[in-house]
Amino acid sequence: SYELTQPASVSVSQGQTASITCSGDKLGNKYVCWYQQKPGQSPMLVIYQDNKRPSGIPERFSGSNSGNTAALTISETQAMDEASYYCQTWDSDTVFFGGGTKLTVL
Amino acid sequence: EVQLLESGGGLVQPGGSLRLSCAASGPTFSTFAVSWVRQAPGKRLEWVSSISGNAGSRYYADPVKGRFAISRDNSKKTVYLQMNSLRADDTAVYYCAKWRISTPDAFDIWGLGTMVTVSS
Repeated sequence: SYELTQPASVSVSQGQTASITCSGDKLGNKYVCWYQQKPGQSPMLVIYQDNKRPSGIPERFSGSNSGNTAALTISETQAMDEASYYCQTWDSDTVFFGGGTKLTVL
Repeated sequence: EVQLLESGGGLVQPGGSLRLSCAASGPTFSTFAVSWVRQAPGKRLEWVSSISGNAGSRYYADPVKGRFAISRDNSKKTVYLQMNSLRADDTAVYYCAKWRISTPDAFDIWGLGTMVTVSS
């Protein structure tokens, strides 16, 4: 099995930069993606292959992955960004999700 | 654009069975892999099972191995999840999700989910 660890919660003031981390053993050797999930909604892909944005995702969302830690960075955070964020990777045909981080925009 | 719609959820007693369906729209159904991902109330996302586009490869998470079976009918553009010997801890919203076609490393399309409740 493989564990991905995320902080349970992160708070950020509107207009500031939020950073959400995801840790795992040698995570930098794997691709990481990130999903945004708002209450009552399905997850939505916001970053794939560590740092690529799907069509329609604002440039404010960026990602990185090195060593044992991947990070999702949201610049100029807006109220609409308040949601839970999950990191995900895969290994040996098994998919692993992080525990999720609740982002609160103050 | 591909859309996914799950159905078949409901209330079932422990030890019972249920079959979920995931119907897709769009012309490229057989070209992409599909997974089931579940989320217990207030909990994290949990991968359940995956099936390749031609159904030649199928994978399962340890908690469901031997109890759940994934299949697909490309002529009907539908993926199924047969769930047997259901337990209380299988209670969750079950989502079907499409893998990216170019490189299957992320889920780029998700359905709305269907709720499964296992309770007596």
